Amino acid sequence: GIQVEQSPPDLILQEGANSTLRCNFSDSVNNLQWFHQNPWGQLINLFYIPSGTKQNGRLSATTVATERYSLLYISSSQTTDSGVYFCAVDSGAGSYQLTFGKGTKLSVIP
Amino acid sequence: DSGVTQTPKHLITATGQRVTLRCSPRSGDLSVYWYQQSLDQGLQFLIQYYNGEERAKGNILERFSAQQFPDLHSELNLSSLELGDSALYFCASSAGIQAFTDTQYFGPGTRLTVL
Repeated sequence: GIQVEQSPPDLILQEGANSTLRCNFSDSVNNLQWFHQNPWGQLINLFYIPSGTKQNGRLSATTVATERYSLLYISSSQTTDSGVYFCAVDSGAGSYQLTFGKGTKLSVIP
Repeated sequence: DSGVTQTPKHLITATGQRVTLRCSPRSGDLSVYWYQQSLDQGLQFLIQYYNGEERAKGNILERFSAQQFPDLHSELNLSSLELGDSALYFCASSAGIQAFTDTQYFGPGTRLTVL
């Protein structure tokens, strides 16, 4: 099946800094999503982005499908950005075997 | 608050038993999704329903089943429980029919412990 690798596994930032999280995948995809799970366990669906670029406030995401990676940018990070960021993909063709990466744990310190 | 509610918050049961988890979607959302998050398997997508009909099936075991009722709430039934079924079960809802393309709003989860 499709492999998903996220990097870095852990990231510690000072409040106000910018960061880039990466998601590499092993095959072509027709679905790619980014999720955030805060330290209290709440999941938030950030982006559906199988290709192209999207922005939502301080967060933006870019997927380069031909090169099999996606990037999540966080600008001017805040302590509320802390948590784990997951990337998830599925290869399409009627398949809904969504494969999640292991996540990037982000800690934003004041 | 996402507007998605899940009950119960916690559930402790024994191996071999059957449990039912309940989810009420956000007002106006017609799609409901179920996910499992365990220490061993990480996050997994289980199944999606839209307006009462199954739309997308993920890694759902045969021992598990779900349904969505006319009032749009959904139930996930887990039977012949095993220790490995211990996990956090999330429900999410979205507006549209196509799986994953709309923003999903997640409930707080039900933590299931199988002893």
